[in-house]
Amino acid sequence: NAGVTQTPKFQVLKTGQSMTLQCAQDMNHEYMSWYRQDPGMGLRLIHYSVGAGITDQGEVPNGYNVSRSTTEDFPLRLLSAAPSQTSVYFCASRATGGLNYGYTFGSGTRLTVV
Amino acid sequence: AQRVTQPEKLLSVFKGAPVELKCNYSYSGSPELFWYVQYSRQRLQLLLRHISRESIKGFTADLNKGETSFHLKKPFAQEEDSAMYYCVVSGSARQLTFGSGTQLTVLP
Repeated sequence: NAGVTQTPKFQVLKTGQSMTLQCAQDMNHEYMSWYRQDPGMGLRLIHYSVGAGITDQGEVPNGYNVSRSTTEDFPLRLLSAAPSQTSVYFCASRATGGLNYGYTFGSGTRLTVV
Repeated sequence: AQRVTQPEKLLSVFKGAPVELKCNYSYSGSPELFWYVQYSRQRLQLLLRHISRESIKGFTADLNKGETSFHLKKPFAQEEDSAMYYCVVSGSARQLTFGSGTQLTVLP
């Protein structure tokens, strides 16, 4: 049971480069989300999806795009990386109606933009 | 807008001492509240959910709607409890709002 899998675990980008952070879950969860974790700020929601084909913005969406073509995958795209996007990124999922069981988180992607 | 406040960024206690991690929230409606824990360089894990009134690893948390608080408590701290703890509210879109976290260190 893999749960939520994020790749890569570490990435260094140059300012202006683009890349995609991958997130996949094998639990048939409808809800998926992307968060960024910064010191002293907790986790902040970037984008989320309530099902395949449906996405919406969270608290800090600027500079990021998402798509949800399948239930399993929810990639996060950085269009033109900036140093302010240096952070640890977490993907999370949960089942519909499974709020009381909380979200399952991936192990994170540590991104550095130089 | 919902908001979660964890007033202590850092908290140190000695092994065997009681520990309380404070959490206050603001939310217009009936909130769903959780405590998540992140051990060093590991993924976040659900520790407690208010609706289940459970005790996990000796931790408990009571929702006080009058004080809008959801403090996390443990009567006797252990060294393996050292971790980052996040208080979390689930909002109207069923997404999570995190507090800024409290880094708990249990000293030997």
